[in-house]
Amino acid sequence: AQKITQTQPGMFVQEKEAVTLDCTYDTSDPSYGLFWYKQPSSGEMIFLIYQGSYDQQNATEGRYSLNFQKARKSANLVISASQLGDSAMYFCAMRRGMNSGGYQKVTFGTGTKLQVIP
Amino acid sequence: EAQVTQNPRYLITVTGKKLTVTCSQNMNHEYMSWYRQDPGLGLRQIYYSMNVEVTDKGDVPEGYKVSRKEKRNFPLILESPSPNQTSLYFCASSSTGRSTDTQYFGPGTRLTVL
Repeated sequence: AQKITQTQPGMFVQEKEAVTLDCTYDTSDPSYGLFWYKQPSSGEMIFLIYQGSYDQQNATEGRYSLNFQKARKSANLVISASQLGDSAMYFCAMRRGMNSGGYQKVTFGTGTKLQVIP
Repeated sequence: EAQVTQNPRYLITVTGKKLTVTCSQNMNHEYMSWYRQDPGLGLRQIYYSMNVEVTDKGDVPEGYKVSRKEKRNFPLILESPSPNQTSLYFCASSSTGRSTDTQYFGPGTRLTVL
């Protein structure tokens, strides 16, 4: 079974500092995709970044980067130069590959609430 | 504008009164899915659909029904709602069900069952 673990229920970071949000996953599938979403207090789900299991390089999108360590099954989100608007809930998610039974299921972690302090 | 819409956004109902939450996307996506979000539990997948007339259970399908008669619409049906179905519900869609495809989410429906 697929599982995503986010062990940090809440975190604080000083404005302009970098912060790492942890995500570990458990799967026996050789092919999968990892995603991070942001949920501000307004409630919408905003896609941030994607990493494929076969990607050789870590994904980056502006101030967001994904520290992908396949052997450790971790996909940590790094936010550089934190801004007040980064205060939100962050979710890690995994999609199974096409050759997996029930491959279209998606599994989310429980989330990390990040608060940026001025 | 490419979007996923859900209606209603807020709903308060009573136990046992059938309700439907609608979801529609205008991106011609094959894959659509429903999630519920509860504090401390993250998002959990209820049902998903890989295309018209093809649906499958997610991790928490009990008490819910879905249908996919048209590509753009994927309604969530609660035939006999109970208080434990009080939750924030999200509909999402993606181009296909491949692991590389990003899901796009609707704005959410906050449901309270008394």
